Amino acid sequence: KNEVEQSPQNLTAQEGEFITINCSYSVGISALHWLQQHPGGGIVSLFMLSSGKKKHGRLIATINIQEKHSSLHITASHPRDSAVYICAVHRDKLIFGTGTRLQVFP
Amino acid sequence: KAGVTQTPRYLIKTRGQQVTLSCSPISGHRSVSWYQQTPGQGLQFLFEYFSETQRNKGNFPGRFSGRQFSNSRSEMNVSTLELGDSALYLCASSVDYSGNTIYFGEGSWLTVV
Repeated sequence: KNEVEQSPQNLTAQEGEFITINCSYSVGISALHWLQQHPGGGIVSLFMLSSGKKKHGRLIATINIQEKHSSLHITASHPRDSAVYICAVHRDKLIFGTGTRLQVFP
Repeated sequence: KAGVTQTPRYLIKTRGQQVTLSCSPISGHRSVSWYQQTPGQGLQFLFEYFSETQRNKGNFPGRFSGRQFSNSRSEMNVSTLELGDSALYLCASSVDYSGNTIYFGEGSWLTVV
């Protein structure tokens, strides 16, 4: 069993929809990162969480340390949000989930 | 503020050759980590350096090695290349190794033929 599990693996949405991506992990961590990867390879760090909730524009990330679970929400999704979203936990090194491929259609 | 710079961006090597990839972190960042990304295995941790010392190493064979210089720039080397080493190699930098926000480079695409 992977130490970091993401769901869903693939997600298709219409522009304007509310999107949720989930991440569960099985190890103790010092932080959890949500990353975004566009075609071409570059990865952008969206959030680094150790507790609670963070918001940046239309993106919201939450973490429940007791339940070892985090969610990434995108409100009012847009085609430019189409990317792979990766959850990674920091436990002396980064351990990555397998990613969620999101496609948002106009 | 310049981002994380990786060179070269694309390269093609032949089986058995060796390759060196370079990473220049964001100014002031002392932690540099390396990752391999393949379609089959996803993103995997290779190693991390902090102040010229290797802090942690992933589960990769000894053909994969790295180092960090006094200016925090880092290199990784893969010797005796195999077809399975074809991957995107990503470097990331952070202020330190405690899980702070991490900044990735654009990556080096390695193809082994």
